[in-house]
Amino acid sequence: DVKVTQSSRYLVKRTGEKVFLECVQDMDHENMFWYRQDPGLGLRLIYFSYDVKMKEKGDIPEGYSVSREKKERFSLILESASTNQTSMYLCASSLPPRVVGTDTQYFGPGTRLTVL
Amino acid sequence: QKEVEQNSGPLSVPEGAIASLNCTYSDRGSQSFFWYRQYSGKSPELIMSIYSNGDKEDGRFTAQLNKASQYVSLLIRDSQPSDSATYLCAVDWGDFGNEKLTFGTGTRLTIIP
Repeated sequence: DVKVTQSSRYLVKRTGEKVFLECVQDMDHENMFWYRQDPGLGLRLIYFSYDVKMKEKGDIPEGYSVSREKKERFSLILESASTNQTSMYLCASSLPPRVVGTDTQYFGPGTRLTVL
Repeated sequence: QKEVEQNSGPLSVPEGAIASLNCTYSDRGSQSFFWYRQYSGKSPELIMSIYSNGDKEDGRFTAQLNKASQYVSLLIRDSQPSDSATYLCAVDWGDFGNEKLTFGTGTRLTIIP
């Protein structure tokens, strides 16, 4: 089974703090993704990476950065946390769709971040 | 702008009945379609994937895809209280090297005992 883990289930930070959210997958997936999920807005893509040291902006990258130094690990960084970044953060991973059926995204358990 | 539309619900279905969840998408070039189930406070888990027109069955779940109408649906037969959750439709636009999913906002399903 694919396993995607995230460093924390719940996190409380103060405005202005630098926040690191870590994600690790154990299935040798090339693609990794960071989403945030808010009521009424659904899942929105922040950043994704399709290879080590590669990154692409998603739909809402402002206020975030990412790091992918190793294939299995993808970090989301909030440079200076703000209250509007209070949300559920979900990491996912997948294979590229070289063959039909391989591009399913598998999600980690999520980190509920509260910024005070 | 590539969009995925779902009725937000809530959709209430009696136990044992068929629940029907619908999703439309904006781009005819879409390649892959997914249904995820999400329980409150949990992360999405894959229920079904479908890639070609027609029906795909897995146990009590059937996914239906009609690319001409840009429509994908999920049927849940013999609905159980444990099926109560939010169901997310997701579409992969099929751009190789840019394998992003666009998610609908989800339909909240409640199974009434």
